[in-house]
Amino acid sequence: GQQVMQIPQYQHVQEGEDFTTYCNSSTTLSNIQWYKQRPGGHPVFLIQLVKSGEVKKQKRLTFQFGEAKKNSSLHITATQTTDVGTYFCAGGGSNYKLTFGKGTLLTVNP
Amino acid sequence: DTAVSQTPKYLVTQMGNDKSIKCEQNLGHDTMYWYKQDSKKFLKIMFSYNNKELIINETVPNRFSPKSPDKAHLNLHINSLELGDSAVYFCASSQKSVAGPLAKNIQYFGAGTRLSVL
Repeated sequence: GQQVMQIPQYQHVQEGEDFTTYCNSSTTLSNIQWYKQRPGGHPVFLIQLVKSGEVKKQKRLTFQFGEAKKNSSLHITATQTTDVGTYFCAGGGSNYKLTFGKGTLLTVNP
Repeated sequence: DTAVSQTPKYLVTQMGNDKSIKCEQNLGHDTMYWYKQDSKKFLKIMFSYNNKELIINETVPNRFSPKSPDKAHLNLHINSLELGDSAVYFCASSQKSVAGPLAKNIQYFGAGTRLSVL
């Protein structure tokens, strides 16, 4: 079955440093979604990428979808303490199922 | 009003008991899901219903039985609870915007039910 690997598992940064998390799928994806889960909270949708090579930005967050539609990344520029949480990628197939990566827990030292 | 609400928020119970978790969404979505998040934060899909019909049934023990009385509700019943069932269970809903690869299938999650089996 489809597997989505995400690295790193943990990342600790100083406030102001950049942060990147990477996802790789064992199969070609229809689309990829990114979610953020604050500590003690629930996953919240951030963005969906569907096109090969697509790049989307949300303020300090940059999302990329690879040319082969098998990998993706999320980059945060100049992290802030409000960025703390677990970031999940989720690969979408042709059905309703999303396969989530294991997430990257980001902690930010003020 | 909360879009996806699940009850209870916390559930502490003894091994061997039977318990239910309820989920309701007021977003008008056709599809609902149950996810299990273990202590390592791994989110694993368990079940999904589309218009009351089971469409995803991952490898879960048959002690877990979902029920969807209508498309706004998806409940999860667990028989003979085991220690390994301790986790946070999230309900989610989605609505496919259009057909095909450009479809947006954004999942809206409930706040979660933290189940502790003692």
